[in-house]
Amino acid sequence: NAGVTQTPKFQVLKTGQSMTLQCAQDMNHEYMSWYRQDPGMGLRLIHYSVGAGITDQGEVPNGYNVSRSTTEDFPLRLLSAAPSQTSVYFCASSRGQGRDGYTFGSGTRLTVV
Amino acid sequence: SQQGEEDPQALSIQEGENATMNCSYKTSINNLQWYRQNSGRGLVHLILIRSNEREKHSGRLRVTLDTSKKSSSLLITASRAADTASYFCATDRPGTYKYIFGTGTRLKVLA
Repeated sequence: NAGVTQTPKFQVLKTGQSMTLQCAQDMNHEYMSWYRQDPGMGLRLIHYSVGAGITDQGEVPNGYNVSRSTTEDFPLRLLSAAPSQTSVYFCASSRGQGRDGYTFGSGTRLTVV
Repeated sequence: SQQGEEDPQALSIQEGENATMNCSYKTSINNLQWYRQNSGRGLVHLILIRSNEREKHSGRLRVTLDTSKKSSSLLITASRAADTASYFCATDRPGTYKYIFGTGTRLKVLA
């Protein structure tokens, strides 16, 4: 049981480049979310999904796209990377709101130069 | 905007002492969760307390919730060096499927 798997662990992008951060879970969780963590800011919600085909925006969605074609996968796409998107990105999943806590991946550390 | 705010921002104690950290939030909630994050790692879920509960225990952890004051506290008893980490509260927003995290308390337990 791998839990939540994020790839890559580290990435350096140039301004304007695009990329996809991968997230996969093998627990059959309906809820999945993407957060970014910046020093002194805690975690901020980017996008979330309550099931395959259903996504919605969080607190800081600008510059990011998501899709949820399967229960297992929830990729996060950066359309045109900017230095302000330098951060640590965490993907998390849970069975459902209020049923239990989120299981987090180990994170992707992204630097945009 | 942040829903939960932890207090204090940083806490340093001796091994064996108790550590208390607080979380305040702004709007009504259905439940509140506490997480631990070791340096450079992902978050680990510690405990979930529902709005109709006032206190919950898990091992050396004790969580209280006061919905009238919109606040929660996390008590770690008999702390160990391995408890050194950042602790975050997270609250749901009723009517949505969002969980919003606070800015965290950095706990350092000195051996």
